[in-house]
Amino acid sequence: EADIYQTPRYLVIGTGKKITLECSQTMGHDKMYWYQQDPGMELHLIHYSYGVNSTEKGDLSSESTVSRIRTEHFPLTLESARPSHTSQYLCASSEYPLSSLTGNTIYFGEGSWLTVV
Amino acid sequence: QQPVQSPQAVILREGEDAVINCSSSKALYSVHWYRQKHGEAPVFLMILLKGGEQKGHEKISASFNEKKQQSSLYLTASQLSYSGTYFCGTEMGSQGNLIFGKGTKLSVKP
Repeated sequence: EADIYQTPRYLVIGTGKKITLECSQTMGHDKMYWYQQDPGMELHLIHYSYGVNSTEKGDLSSESTVSRIRTEHFPLTLESARPSHTSQYLCASSEYPLSSLTGNTIYFGEGSWLTVV
Repeated sequence: QQPVQSPQAVILREGEDAVINCSSSKALYSVHWYRQKHGEAPVFLMILLKGGEQKGHEKISASFNEKKQQSSLYLTASQLSYSGTYFCGTEMGSQGNLIFGKGTKLSVKP
């Protein structure tokens, strides 16, 4: 089991505010991810990182940004929150590559529920 | 590129079996299965690698047909705790990311 910690777990914020969702992992995983999931819906990859100073956009376009200054830390920032950003944001990490001989998989944090009013 | 899961939902009685399918239009490097309960994070169940190796849960099995680009998850003698939404994640391409299907909602009734 991977240890991934997300804060805050729940956040209600007004439109136009800047927010940062924190994510830390203690497994030393090089690769980290952010997925966005609306209630009852599928997971969409919005950002990922191969390691320090690496950030890439995922399959779903997002107005959020990420940074990776330390291996264990992968925060997500919204400069100006809007109601359309209301969703659950899941941070995850893994060893890389996934389909190695040993078979690595992605481990998820408990998620951050964001509501923008 | 998103894998297609079927069925979308299934209702079982305790002790019954279920099969959840996941198919892709592209070649797969690996298939990963997760279960997510309401309000919780997805939990890893099983990974299937090219070449047939499996790693995962002792009470759940799965198959991976590389030629057909399909995987199936087999839940036998279902328990109430099996309820949740099951997602398959497929690894395609050089980025090595998982793209998830829309999920299969499984409800196990007493």
